[in-house]
Amino acid sequence: QVQLQQSGPGLVKASQTLSLTCAISGDSVSSTSAAWNWIRQSPSRGLEWLGRTYYRSKWYNDYAVSVKSRVTINPDTSKNQFSLQLNSVTPEDTAVYYCARDRDSDLDYWGQGTLVTVSS
Amino acid sequence: SYELTQPPSVSVSPGQTASITCSGDKLGDKFAWWYQQKPGQSPVLVIYKDNKRPSGIPERFSGSNSGDTATLTIRGTQAMDEADYYCQAWDSSTVVFGGGTKLTVL
Repeated sequence: QVQLQQSGPGLVKASQTLSLTCAISGDSVSSTSAAWNWIRQSPSRGLEWLGRTYYRSKWYNDYAVSVKSRVTINPDTSKNQFSLQLNSVTPEDTAVYYCARDRDSDLDYWGQGTLVTVSS
Repeated sequence: SYELTQPPSVSVSPGQTASITCSGDKLGDKFAWWYQQKPGQSPVLVIYKDNKRPSGIPERFSGSNSGDTATLTIRGTQAMDEADYYCQAWDSSTVVFGGGTKLTVL
């Protein structure tokens, strides 16, 4: 059974960097048949995919156009986890952030969600 | 950018059939996924690749996808099915979600 455990601060000041981590159990961040995603949800924007990282003989990333200039998703193979960094945040980035696995394109396991509030 | 459109709300009586639609340009040429989300919980995959059910999802959940519309159908709807439902597709290696539909069972 795959489990994704999120961690990180729930409050970030505007203009700073939002950082979250998703620890994986029951699978490997280096799996060649899975990818590791970050998704956020807010009342104004609904569910919004931010991007993913995956390993297929080398590491790849895909990012949403809406955040591409500000987002970085990195694997940490030593801890079997992956992270999200979102730079230059504004109150518009206030949302519940989820990590999720996609295996063969199915977003089949999700983390518990982390509410991140950006204070101005 | 690719967009998916869902009705904001759908109501159904217990035991009846609920249908939730998701519209997108030539959506039938892609696969569609469906997620159920109850208040305070993470989304749960209920239909993948148009019409497949993950293990543990009741048989009353089914899906179809043709033309510009994907449909999630819940037969014999139960009170526990009251939730928000989101459709999803992949477009050029990026994930697109619909705006969500609140299903009310009354």
